[in-house]
Amino acid sequence: DTGVSQDPRHKITKRGQNVTFRCDPISEHNRLYWYRQTLGQGPEFLTYFQNEAQLEKSRLLSDRFSAERPKGSFSTLEIQRTEQGDSAMYLCASSLVGGSGYTFGSGTRLTVV
Amino acid sequence: KQEVTQIPAALSVPEGENLVLNCSFTDSAIYNLQWFRQDPGKGLTSLLLIQSSQREQTSGRLNASLDKSSGRSTLYIAASQPGDSATYLCAVTPPGGGADGLTFGKGTHLIIQP
Repeated sequence: DTGVSQDPRHKITKRGQNVTFRCDPISEHNRLYWYRQTLGQGPEFLTYFQNEAQLEKSRLLSDRFSAERPKGSFSTLEIQRTEQGDSAMYLCASSLVGGSGYTFGSGTRLTVV
Repeated sequence: KQEVTQIPAALSVPEGENLVLNCSFTDSAIYNLQWFRQDPGKGLTSLLLIQSSQREQTSGRLNASLDKSSGRSTLYIAASQPGDSATYLCAVTPPGGGADGLTFGKGTHLIIQP
């Protein structure tokens, strides 16, 4: 297992289009997190899963955003009707229950034009 | 609401110097604190994790300390090298082991001049 994988690395989309990102966590990690990072800021928490259950969602996660983790393994984050303000780096992280620290992926850079 | 502040926001020093990056947090009820490194356009690489019961952690030229009661952590980098140039982020985990996610500072942008 080589860590947390995210796909794609970069995505350019036109405003109004839908986009979907994928995250593959470390296999034995049961928690999976999504964060968003804009230029010059630290990452901001969006949502997290414990196994397949989505347990927490930030107020940053508008109705246009949806995340799934269907079998408690990989996760997808979909943004519908993208807006220019959605342009950011979307980071995925995983951890074990018990706070052993987080492992982050390389992120997906979204640019909405 | 937990807030994390990192000082300085940016730092540029000549190669070989020892340096200290500061992180403060408003709510001392944390589970642990983690320092990350981020290269431009890349994801986060974990450097050090300090549990709330610990005072410090060391890895190579890096040493991180934690004073939970005063809400402070420092990252000490010894004998800095140009390859250390990156943004360094501090993040705290809430009680319960991370159920609500990490709270990050905005980072310190570090440049080591050759």
